[in-house]
Amino acid sequence: LAKTTQPISMDSYEGQEVNITCSHNNIATNDYITWYQQFPSQGPRFIIQGYKTKVTNEVASLFIPADRKSSTLSLPRVSLSDTAVYYCLVGENNYQLIWGAGTKLIIKP
Amino acid sequence: DGGITQSPKYLFRKEGQNVTLSCEQNLNHDAMYWYRQDPGQGLRLIYYSQIVNDFQKGDIAEGYSVSREKKESFPLTVTSAQKNPTAFYLCATSPVWGAGANVLTFGAGSRLTVL
Repeated sequence: LAKTTQPISMDSYEGQEVNITCSHNNIATNDYITWYQQFPSQGPRFIIQGYKTKVTNEVASLFIPADRKSSTLSLPRVSLSDTAVYYCLVGENNYQLIWGAGTKLIIKP
Repeated sequence: DGGITQSPKYLFRKEGQNVTLSCEQNLNHDAMYWYRQDPGQGLRLIYYSQIVNDFQKGDIAEGYSVSREKKESFPLTVTSAQKNPTAFYLCATSPVWGAGANVLTFGAGSRLTVL
């Protein structure tokens, strides 16, 4: 089962682009990379998922290099409401996911 | 309004009492999951079920029990055997096959406090 390593915390300012990098050296061939966002006292919310290269949706982009041993979540032009904990997960099946403590992102005005 | 309903949102329990947390979904997802989250920590899987009348233990099943009699419902009982039950409990669902099978949808959570 692949574990992930991501920074414990980060801070940035409104309007900036924020990049959170996650390391997953033991990723397996069939593993997907998935990012979730969690606000205090709420359930996590799916942000984006990818397998390789780049994926973009309306809220974020996910960059995955060819070796897939890391991934970077990019949040464009963040606002105060993006302050949350962000989790990076890798796995083939939901029941195999190992949830670390995530990255606490603080956005300042 | 589609989604997952967890109840109660807050629950207080005396030591030695069993309590049951409810999770109901109308997303028509086959798989349902229960997680526990302690302050500042990630989620830990308690139980999961991929089909009615079947469920599997997760990483921390001791002191917990579940049932899956209906597709829409996956209640979690925290028994008196659970030594440290105070935590935030999250229910999640996903399809088992096809699009979205690797994506979890979460409920709003239930916070259990043992007095």
